Amino acid sequence: QKEVEQNSGPLSVPEGAIASLNCTYSDRGSQSFFWYRQYSGKSPELIMSIYSNGDKEDGRFTAQLNKASQYVSLLIRDSQPSDSATYLCAVNPGRDAGGTSYGKLTFGQGTILTVHP
Amino acid sequence: DGGITQSPKYLFRKEGQNVTLSCEQNLNHDAMYWYRQDPGQGLRLIYYSQIVNDFQKGDIAEGYSVSREKKESFPLTVTSAQKNPTAFYLCASRRTSGSYNEQFFGPGTRLTVL
Repeated sequence: QKEVEQNSGPLSVPEGAIASLNCTYSDRGSQSFFWYRQYSGKSPELIMSIYSNGDKEDGRFTAQLNKASQYVSLLIRDSQPSDSATYLCAVNPGRDAGGTSYGKLTFGQGTILTVHP
Repeated sequence: DGGITQSPKYLFRKEGQNVTLSCEQNLNHDAMYWYRQDPGQGLRLIYYSQIVNDFQKGDIAEGYSVSREKKESFPLTVTSAQKNPTAFYLCASRRTSGSYNEQFFGPGTRLTVL
């Protein structure tokens, strides 16, 4: 069973629309959640981090976290062609059995987003 | 400019060779990580290090080795024991003070086995 799952995609939206990317995770003790954007052939770039339930907004991006449902999402408003990329959801599972947090991340497989003019 | 550098950008390896990938950061981060990415997949953790002279195996450490002799450097060696080493290798670092776990990535090294 995968620990972090993302909607499979690919996702295609018209320019100006809202793109919605979803992610579920299996470890109920997970503490922190991240969204990375990865352009083709490039390395991942951190675009959002969220640590508590609710919404967090940064420009056109909104991250939503619901720990009870083990669900985190990313909304991109007014989508632009430059937003076309693979979006990776990453989860920090928190502390291990010994109580240590190593900051390790578990990644989903990514969702390819295409914004067409 | 603060950041993470990886070299080389592209690397070609013959069967049976060991190769070493470089990762350097000047962000003053304590923690460093190595990930592997295969086409169409997410990232998988190879090794990580929280402090100098200490490192732990990640989920797919077999066939890889690392060292952490300096805070700024965390080289990864891909040994001949790694059966399928062709992949995109990504190094990341993280500040360990405070409660945030944000990791930042270098530009990556693309390794191809000939």
